[in-house]
Amino acid sequence: GAVVSQHPSWVICKSGTSVKIECRSLDFQATTMFWYRQFPKQSLMLMATSNEGSKATYEQGVEKDKFLINHASLTLSTLTVTSAHPEDSSFYICSASPRGEQPQHFGDGTRLSIL
Amino acid sequence: KQEVTQIPAALSVPEGENLVLNCSFTDSAIYNLQWFRQDPGKGLTSLLLIQSSQREQTSGRLNASLDKSSGRSTLYIAASQPGDSATYLCAVRLGQAGTALIFGKGTTLSVSS
Repeated sequence: GAVVSQHPSWVICKSGTSVKIECRSLDFQATTMFWYRQFPKQSLMLMATSNEGSKATYEQGVEKDKFLINHASLTLSTLTVTSAHPEDSSFYICSASPRGEQPQHFGDGTRLSIL
Repeated sequence: KQEVTQIPAALSVPEGENLVLNCSFTDSAIYNLQWFRQDPGKGLTSLLLIQSSQREQTSGRLNASLDKSSGRSTLYIAASQPGDSATYLCAVRLGQAGTALIFGKGTTLSVSS
């Protein structure tokens, strides 16, 4: 079945650091990938839609200059949290599917802790 | 704006019980609905996907129903086991290809042996 790999799974870093998270579709091509964020005891919330070869589409309230998304190939999207602060600490998870079909396949997520 | 609500937020049952998790959504114009399982600190595992034209889906001990007109879905777990302990998430998709999912906050299930 379709597999989505996300790396790293856990990051702890100092405030002001930039952190890059990778999302790869291992056995299929994905023109669209989605990035979600989950705060403790909250639901997963869509942050942005990553489109291969074009700019990402950000949800309302998500700063595009802070959360940089690059989807340079059909199998890789990256999310960079620039100048991270403690309030950015959260669980970040990506999803993708072959040809936009259902169901969506999710990575294992990245737990980001900013000290 | 579509909102997804899951009740209860948490549930504790002894092993062997049958149980029902509830999901409701405010806009009935959904494309499909999906149930996921999330283990602590882990990603999501898709359990069942119900298309808008379907009424239910079954996989093993799991059965999910969908009543689109009333904006409700239930996940039925038969003969619960300690390994079923996890958070169960309900999510709806509004459009076809290229649209994201809208999630509920989940129901955290604990099954004791």
